[in-house]
Amino acid sequence: KNEVEQSPQNLTAQEGEFITINCSYSVGISALHWLQQHPGGGIVSLFMLSSGKKKHGRLIATINIQEKHSSLHITASHPRDSAVYICASWNYGGSQGNLIFGKGTKLSVKP
Amino acid sequence: DSGVTQTPKHLITATGQRVTLRCSPRSGDLSVYWYQQSLDQGLQFLIHYYNGEERAKGNILERFSAQQFPDLHSELNLSSLELGDSALYFCASSVGVGQGNTIYFGEGSWLTVV
Repeated sequence: KNEVEQSPQNLTAQEGEFITINCSYSVGISALHWLQQHPGGGIVSLFMLSSGKKKHGRLIATINIQEKHSSLHITASHPRDSAVYICASWNYGGSQGNLIFGKGTKLSVKP
Repeated sequence: DSGVTQTPKHLITATGQRVTLRCSPRSGDLSVYWYQQSLDQGLQFLIHYYNGEERAKGNILERFSAQQFPDLHSELNLSSLELGDSALYFCASSVGVGQGNTIYFGEGSWLTVV
């Protein structure tokens, strides 16, 4: 069974700081999702990656398949980045898969 | 806007009742996934449909059922509701099946059982 763990659970930062959120999983996978959940509840898919690094604006996601670890970085953080960030990996059961989610990292960026 | 539409956005109902949550996937997406998010359990996978057929089942209770219709919209039926069923229910869609597909989430349906 795939376990997905995130750290830290809660993170408070000052505006402008560089932020790192970590995700580790127990079973070898080939793709991992990073999601952002806004205070209102909606979920947005930020990245899906299977190797290396992806960048979108101030967000950078990296994954190391051998070490079963991924990181989400936010550069020059802003209060609007305050949200819950969730990583999710695919878990294979039977012939099909489904996402297994970490418990999320609650980020609060203070002005 | 992800293109995934869920209705209703909020629902309050009494224990023992039955509700139906509806989901319209993004145009062109054949896969629909249902997830439950509760305060203590986090996000959990319930069920996955692809082009009208059930493809994977997660921690879905027997009181819950789902289906995907020929027009690809999906419904999640929750019956004999209990207080513990109060949660945020998400629908998501993707073009294909499994990893390698970006998943798009709806805004969720807040269910409160009183």
